[in-house]
Amino acid sequence: KAGVTQTPRYLIKTRGQQVTLSCSPISGHRSVSWYQQTPGQGLQFLFEYFSETQRNKGNFPGRFSGRQFSNSRSEMNVSTLELGDSALYLCASSGGTSEGETQYFGPGTRLLVL
Amino acid sequence: SQKIEQNSEALNIQEGKTATLTCNYTNYSPAYLQWYRQDPGRGPVFLLLIRENEKEKRKERLKVTFDTTLKQSLFHITASQPADSATYLCALLAGGGNKLTFGTGTQLKVEL
Repeated sequence: KAGVTQTPRYLIKTRGQQVTLSCSPISGHRSVSWYQQTPGQGLQFLFEYFSETQRNKGNFPGRFSGRQFSNSRSEMNVSTLELGDSALYLCASSGGTSEGETQYFGPGTRLLVL
Repeated sequence: SQKIEQNSEALNIQEGKTATLTCNYTNYSPAYLQWYRQDPGRGPVFLLLIRENEKEKRKERLKVTFDTTLKQSLFHITASQPADSATYLCALLAGGGNKLTFGTGTQLKVEL
């Protein structure tokens, strides 16, 4: 089975711009979660989508949003980028039907905001 | 406030020894605790999961313990090898869905 894929792998943007990141889960997985990883804050949960609905949400401002399509692929969007949004954005997929499932992470998208 | 703490300093050990990593948490009642490994420039890779009603879990050279009274999990790698060098993250699941809260990770370096 192919693993979780994320595109693009690297991105450079300037303050005020917006960005859309994409995640394709493992085939058959219906849950996709997004995380932000920075040296200072570590890995922080952004949100989880399951069957096209947001199931869980972290403590991030409304500039961070996401969606999931009927094929379980997911996108996250960050509007009005700030310097502090520079981070590695990771998505993880799982079956989504049980608690405590193994999360399979993608390689991440490294975003640099100048 | 809720906190998950792992050894912030890197852990250096000699090949063949047992590495022990600690994960302490406060103000959580996790149903599950998971351990992940992360190599530089890569996403975390799942290693082990332990449930709140389990004391210990093993997988090959890995062992995890979970003490809900002490609010602590210990992660052991026996007969460590240089290939075990990585950052190890603990993560709690408390609540529904797959919302994981991660510790800051411990960097392990196994030297020859």
